[in-house]
Amino acid sequence: GNSVTQMEGPVTLSEEAFLTINCTYTATGYPSLFWYVQYPGEGLQLLLKATKADDKGSNKGFEATYRKETTSFHLEKGSVQVSDSAVYFCALSGWDSNYQLIWGAGTKLIIKP
Amino acid sequence: NAGVTQTPKFQVLKTGQSMTLQCAQDMNHEYMSWYRQDPGMGLRLIHYSVGAGITDQGEVPNGYNVSRSTTEDFPLRLLSAAPSQTSVYFCASSSQGGSYNSPLHFGNGTRLTVT
Repeated sequence: GNSVTQMEGPVTLSEEAFLTINCTYTATGYPSLFWYVQYPGEGLQLLLKATKADDKGSNKGFEATYRKETTSFHLEKGSVQVSDSAVYFCALSGWDSNYQLIWGAGTKLIIKP
Repeated sequence: NAGVTQTPKFQVLKTGQSMTLQCAQDMNHEYMSWYRQDPGMGLRLIHYSVGAGITDQGEVPNGYNVSRSTTEDFPLRLLSAAPSQTSVYFCASSSQGGSYNSPLHFGNGTRLTVT
């Protein structure tokens, strides 16, 4: 069945550091891929998405590229801020899961000033 | 701009008690769902609904009931609370499930502790 694997956290970085959070998936066909973010005390919100191979989703300085050959959708940001501290979830949606989202376990990001 | 509203924010129950977690959305979304979030396990789908009068089970439905009498409301009922149901519960809605063009909108969660 479909699944999503994320790197374990927490990930701790200094402000202005480069961020990568790894996400790989297993799915049949061509699922849509998502990154959601959860700030402390809040619900999740969509950060970015991509629907086909080589698509790049981007938002708030974050980017992720849909890599079909490596079944990956790694999240990157060139210079993180303290306000980026949150939990990041990778997820996929496909026809064979009736478009229910399949979630990774989440990666907690801590940015120190 | 209410979006998805969940009540209560916090709840403590004793084993065997029942309660209802409320969820309401004002975006006229057809799809609504309940998740639980546990450390290291991400989000797990409990129940979902694709429209008023229609509900279906998710990955972890045991011990929970839902109903969908209106488009706006999707309450989650715990029939007889157990310590294993200690978790953070999120309600989410969208216009069309979790598909590319209709991302999920989440409430702020209910933190439930069962002693």
